[in-house]
Amino acid sequence: DSGVTQTPKHLITATGQRVTLRCSPRSGDLSVYWYQQSLDQGLQFLIQYYNGEERAKGNILERFSAQQFPDLHSELNLSSLELGDSALYFCASSASVGGRGEQYFGPGTRLTVT
Amino acid sequence: GDSVTQMEGPVTLSEEAFLTINCTYTATGYPSLFWYVQYPGEGLQLLLKATKADDKGSNKGFEATYRKETTSFHLEKGSVQVSDSAVYFCALSESSGSARQLTFGSGTQLTVLP
Repeated sequence: DSGVTQTPKHLITATGQRVTLRCSPRSGDLSVYWYQQSLDQGLQFLIQYYNGEERAKGNILERFSAQQFPDLHSELNLSSLELGDSALYFCASSASVGGRGEQYFGPGTRLTVT
Repeated sequence: GDSVTQMEGPVTLSEEAFLTINCTYTATGYPSLFWYVQYPGEGLQLLLKATKADDKGSNKGFEATYRKETTSFHLEKGSVQVSDSAVYFCALSESSGSARQLTFGSGTQLTVLP
């Protein structure tokens, strides 16, 4: 158990809909990262938040957005969903200082768009 | 930009065989290097890490050495077990202040037969 929690575990929705994925980082970790894992694109970094502020952006679509709240949990919002958005979405967290870059991953949310 | 290249799988070995999974990287600076493992239906678990040249990361019988001259971080294990069957990801992280996203290789599926 990494200490990172994600809900829900599975999500099935239709094209055009909007969903919200939730992540709680390990106790004490200020950084939260979102990754997408799909068969054709592999594991891709989407976005990072650090203590409530956006710090880095990767291959995140404009239809996707995220935020980190004062209690440090994070939400990833996916809107106008398309079939190609079906994937595993992982959240990871890391310590604010030290730790030399290792990230700890949650169990993931499997999104299926039909 | 940064990139990670892993040997393509799948790899199938008999129990107690020697394992090598090749990983090479391209980075602009001096990254930290990681191996993550993903068991079926689960999230990614950190297996081992190395943060500077010639460092050797090790865990659960797995080892990898950070080779700056060959930009490589090959994963090895002397005697694999059935329980090692999983997907293995090589990754790097270059830090810029508090931004530390991971760049992953494509993953190598390992199956160990009894």
